[in-house]
Amino acid sequence: NAGVTQTPKFQVLKTGQSMTLQCAQDMNHEYMSWYRQDPGMGLRLIHYSVGAGITDQGEVPNGYNVSRSTTEDFPLRLLSAAPSQTSVYFCASSHGQGSSYNEQFFGPGTRLTVL
Amino acid sequence: RKEVEQDPGPFNVPEGATVAFNCTYSNSASQSFFWYRQDCRKEPKLLMSVYSSGNEDGRFTAQLNRASQYISLLIRDSKLSDSATYLCVVNNAGNMLTFGGGTRLMVKP
Repeated sequence: NAGVTQTPKFQVLKTGQSMTLQCAQDMNHEYMSWYRQDPGMGLRLIHYSVGAGITDQGEVPNGYNVSRSTTEDFPLRLLSAAPSQTSVYFCASSHGQGSSYNEQFFGPGTRLTVL
Repeated sequence: RKEVEQDPGPFNVPEGATVAFNCTYSNSASQSFFWYRQDCRKEPKLLMSVYSSGNEDGRFTAQLNRASQYISLLIRDSKLSDSATYLCVVNNAGNMLTFGGGTRLMVKP
């Protein structure tokens, strides 16, 4: 049981390049989400999904796209990288939704630098 | 005003000390509350949930004050291994979590 995995661990992009951050989980969790973490800002929600085929925007969605074709995978695409997207990106997953909380499990993160 | 606010610290304490962190939240309709721990350059991990009546897990005690909209975490008998950043997390609706900026704790020998 690998939990939540993310690739790559590190990435350097030039302004304007595009790329996809990969996220996969093997816990059969319905809910998956992407966060970015910047110094002093805490984690901010980019996009989330409550199940295969269903995605929605979080707090800071601009410049990012997501899709959820399977329960296991939730890739994050940067359409045209900008220096403001330099950050650490975490993927997370949990069971279910609604008012009852389910523990969120985080992947190890992807450290992205945009030059 | 941030939805969830924490003193960033760092809190520098000797081993064996008792240390407390507070966190305030702005949404009075918030439903669930948590403390996560994040080690340097690692992912956050759930430390404990915070219940209305207060709850304890070993050396850790969490309290919730809904009237004043703040959450606290008390760590007794601090260990070197407690050095980390502690994130206050609030669940406002469904599974949408809002994170505070974190409080950094450094426990010294």
